[in-house]
Amino acid sequence: AQSVTQLDSQVPVFEEAPVELRCNYSSSVSVYLFWYVQYPNQGLQLLLKYLSGSTLVKGINGFEAEFNKSQTSFHLRKPSVHISDTAEYFCAVSWANAGKSTFGDGTTLTVKP
Amino acid sequence: SAVISQKPSRDICQRGTSLTIQCQVDSQVTMMFWYRQQPGQSLTLIATANQGSEATYESGFVIDKFPISRPNLTFSTLTVSNMSPEDSSIYLCSVTPGAGSGYGYTFGSGTRLTVV
Repeated sequence: AQSVTQLDSQVPVFEEAPVELRCNYSSSVSVYLFWYVQYPNQGLQLLLKYLSGSTLVKGINGFEAEFNKSQTSFHLRKPSVHISDTAEYFCAVSWANAGKSTFGDGTTLTVKP
Repeated sequence: SAVISQKPSRDICQRGTSLTIQCQVDSQVTMMFWYRQQPGQSLTLIATANQGSEATYESGFVIDKFPISRPNLTFSTLTVSNMSPEDSSIYLCSVTPGAGSGYGYTFGSGTRLTVV
């Protein structure tokens, strides 16, 4: 079975500072990896995804993530955060061709002025 | 990517009643999914809705409690039946444009349900 662990439930950070949100996964087969963002009172929005190829993937809003197969990790990073990045972030994993995803418990990113 | 309209956006319901949530997509999609997000928690898949066949439910979810319709490739409904306060959650519709899982999901804005 596949599972996703987001290592930090809450990450407070000051504006313009860098941030890393950590995600580890476990699976016995190849997977696809995703990061989603949920702003208050809204649905989820896809930030970026890793399917294959280059291990560094870039997404919207200046976010990027690096796939590390040996460490089974897919950490999300941004070099300089803004107040508007305050939201809940979810890491998710899918088996190839399974259609459905398993989500982590989420990380609350709070950007302070 | 697809645009999803989900309604109602929120509702307060009496226990024992039922609520039907609608999900309308602006393009034809193969797979539609219904998720539940309990307060302060992550997303849990309720079922996969495919057009022309019965929905496939995940462990812990049953058709009598969460009947789903998928009459065409752009629309689906989820009914929360015989509600109790434990059903208070955000219910999210999502779609993926292809049969594979590499596309990622597009989500509706969710239905915030409070059962009193």
